[in-house]
Amino acid sequence: EAQVTQNPRYLITVTGKKLTVTCSQNMNHEYMSWYRQDPGLGLRQIYYSMNVEVTDKGDVPEGYKVSRKEKRNFPLILESPSPNQTSLYFCASSLSPGQGKYEQYFGPGTRLTVT
Amino acid sequence: GQNIDQPTEMTATEGAIVQINCTYQTSGFNGLFWYQQHAGEAPTFLSYNVLDGLEEKGRFSSFLSRSKGYSYLLLKELQMKDSASYLCAVRDLRNTPLVFGKGTRLSVIA
Repeated sequence: EAQVTQNPRYLITVTGKKLTVTCSQNMNHEYMSWYRQDPGLGLRQIYYSMNVEVTDKGDVPEGYKVSRKEKRNFPLILESPSPNQTSLYFCASSLSPGQGKYEQYFGPGTRLTVT
Repeated sequence: GQNIDQPTEMTATEGAIVQINCTYQTSGFNGLFWYQQHAGEAPTFLSYNVLDGLEEKGRFSSFLSRSKGYSYLLLKELQMKDSASYLCAVRDLRNTPLVFGKGTRLSVIA
């Protein structure tokens, strides 16, 4: 089954404790992206990757890191989480945007709470 | 810059038709997408428009006017399960990420 998986689905942590949210897709997609979603603000892009070893900042990259060492995986790293990073996080993947019509497939989401 | 506007909330009656509008201002245009998102769940793809006109898919249709920077999503024969947020997203140039509007929360009432 074609899918994007994220782990963990739910996480409660404390300020300053490094954490990683994993994202994996099995569709051989070049493009992967991380979003956060907050009430009233909609989906905002954190980072994206056009292919292996190619990453770029989205609209709200501060406090986050990513890496793309393999095509299927795109982990999101919070080196020192803070309460304002409490949010619902989505990973998404798609074929290369340059290939015209394509839709982004979203993972199930990770609900993160930082106390 | 990029700007995408949609109404924040709408309410409609079961069995009726509802139109959700989206206006956008981007430096270029390379496609407009509509997604559905139920509360607490991931967005799922509904439709894609890149040329002017209407795209129909079952109870859902999407319209695009590039000259007006305008799109709408039309939902017919509304069902209770259509209660969700509907997200409009635009790509302004090739090889650039999608930009999402804040979404329209639709409530379907009996």
